[in-house]
This record gives sequence, C-alpha cells and structure tokens, in this order.
Amino acid sequence: EVQLLESGGGLVQPGGSLRLSCAASQFTFSNYAMSWVRQAPGKGLEWVSAISGSGDSTYYADSVKGRFTISRDNPKNTLYLQMSSLRAEDTAVYYCAKVFYPSGSNLFDYWGQGTLVTVSS
Amino acid sequence: EIVMTQSPATLSVSPGERATLSCRASQSVRDNLAWYQQKPGQPPKFLMYGASIRATGIPARLSGSGSGTEFTLTISSLQSEDFAVYYCQQYNNWPLTFGGGTKVEIK
Repeated sequence: EVQLLESGGGLVQPGGSLRLSCAASQFTFSNYAMSWVRQAPGKGLEWVSAISGSGDSTYYADSVKGRFTISRDNPKNTLYLQMSSLRAEDTAVYYCAKVFYPSGSNLFDYWGQGTLVTVSS
Repeated sequence: EIVMTQSPATLSVSPGERATLSCRASQSVRDNLAWYQQKPGQPPKFLMYGASIRATGIPARLSGSGSGTEFTLTISSLQSEDFAVYYCQQYNNWPLTFGGGTKVEIK
C-alpha cells in the first residue's frame, strides 16, 4: 500500500520559514509527479505546488509563487516544500499527494495524513 | 484560473435516499474532472476521474457524469459511510483548482 508521511509542520512567526517533508514508500517515487495541497482550518482544499517525477518541472499557485519552493530527492523518496515569508493566511494542514498516472494528468490517488502549519506571533 | 463552483454547499439527505451534487467550471475542462470525499480529521479520498470513471474499490452507487463545464456526482442510495464533504477538482489547466465542497449531512 502506498504510504505518504508528512513532517515538519509547527508554529512559526509571520515572516518566518519552514520546510515540510513527505516520505514516500511502496511505489516507484521517481515515476510520479507529486503535489502539495493545503486546507485552512474549516475551509476547502487549495492546490499549492507540483513537481514532475524527474524534478525538472515545477508549478505554483499564485498565492505562494516566489515564497515557496518545491523539490524532491528521488534516491531518498522524499518530497519537500520550503516555505518562506510566511503569512497568517498560510496557516493550514499541508498534504502531500501522489498523482494517479505516471505521466500527465494531475489528479491524486493517494494523500498523506497532513502536517499542520500555524503562522502566528 | 478556472473557478470551480459546487452546489449546494450543504445537502441534507436521509439514509437510503438519492443525493445529487453539482460542480460547475468557469470554462471547459473537457472531462478532466476528479471527485474526492473527505471525512473529519482525514485526508481526501479519491473517488472518480475522467468525470465518470470510479476509482478502484469505489462502490457502484456512486456515479459521475458531465463534460465541459457541468458535472454531477450522484449517490444513488446513501449509506452511513457516505456522509462527508465532497470536492471536485479540475486537472485540465494550471493552476489545478478545487471546488468549495458540498457537505452531505444526515437529515
């Protein structure tokens, strides 16, 4: 069974930085694009960022462009999200998600349990 | 950005009854539409892709339809495990976008 385990969340002050990690197992990690999707408390889902299987291509929501950086380490089967210049509105549970098809369509068949990021002074 | 609008926001249904959830896209997404179910404290669960193709293990009482800008998720006879929030997502264009969700609650 595919497993995705996020870590790195916590309380951070506005303007601060945080790096999230997502450890993947039970599938060939390098074959699949991955995304980060967040959910503010009591709100809906918001796609944040995506990265291709090779790591050559990255995509960002306008709300995080220039502040967040997605990356991956395929030999370590790990996805990352480096977050900087954090704002109160970045407070959310952050999920990593695996795409359904090895190439192409960005829909998600497996999600991690999420890690909570709270931006507050 | 393609805006996904789901309606109604909340649907009150009795067990055994039919539920019809709507998802509208601000421009055509062809059939590049997925549905997810989320229960409190859990991550989303993948239900459907290609607007109408059930994911592995999803029961036949869930069905999807539509293309272009209008989509529907139908649950033919609601079971206790179906009471949850449902999200649609378009994957036709960047940025990927989700609808605001429909909460299906017990009447």
